[in-house]
Amino acid sequence: AQSVTQPDIHITVSEGASLELRCNYSYGATPYLFWYVQSPGQGLQLLLKYFSGDTLVQGIKGFEAEFKRSQSSFNLRKPSVHWSDAAEYFCAVGPTQGGSEKLVFGKGTKLTVNP
Amino acid sequence: EPEVTQTPSHQVTQMGQEVILRCVPISNHLYFYWYRQILGQKVEFLVSFYNNEISEKSEIFDDQFSVERPDGSNFTLKIRSTKLEDSAMYFCASSGVAGGLGETQYFGPGTRLLVL
Repeated sequence: AQSVTQPDIHITVSEGASLELRCNYSYGATPYLFWYVQSPGQGLQLLLKYFSGDTLVQGIKGFEAEFKRSQSSFNLRKPSVHWSDAAEYFCAVGPTQGGSEKLVFGKGTKLTVNP
Repeated sequence: EPEVTQTPSHQVTQMGQEVILRCVPISNHLYFYWYRQILGQKVEFLVSFYNNEISEKSEIFDDQFSVERPDGSNFTLKIRSTKLEDSAMYFCASSGVAGGLGETQYFGPGTRLLVL
């Protein structure tokens, strides 16, 4: 069965510092991978997604993520964090052809940004 | 930019009561979903809906739950007799033409349901 692990429940960084949020997945084939962000009181907003091709994908708000098949990872990065990036971040593995339609989410990583 | 909307944003109900959560998906989307997130836990898939019928459901989606697309715009989740453990944030999502083939699912802001 598909599963997603986000090992860090809570991360605190200073504004301007770099950020890396970890995501590991378990899936039998090449997955579709997503990062969503949830700001307080808001829904889940898509940051970026990986389907195939270039393993480094660019998203909105200056985020990028790298798919590493050998490590079953899809870590999210940002070179310089802004205070407005404080939110909860969810990694998800997605539906595939002939398979389930559902997204399977990790538990999320809450990001706090110190001034 | 088109977005998924949900009403109400918050709902408080007594155990055993019926609740209906409403969603308006993005207008040209064909696939619709409900997820829930119990406080402190993962976002969990409940059900997907396509062509006026359920296409997939999870173990959570038992006989107490039902979904409906009563008209061309709304998509509803009904819980017939709420339990304390149904307290959660419920998210609606929709996706476009390709549906399950890695199509991006767009989420609404959620309905916070509290069962007392």
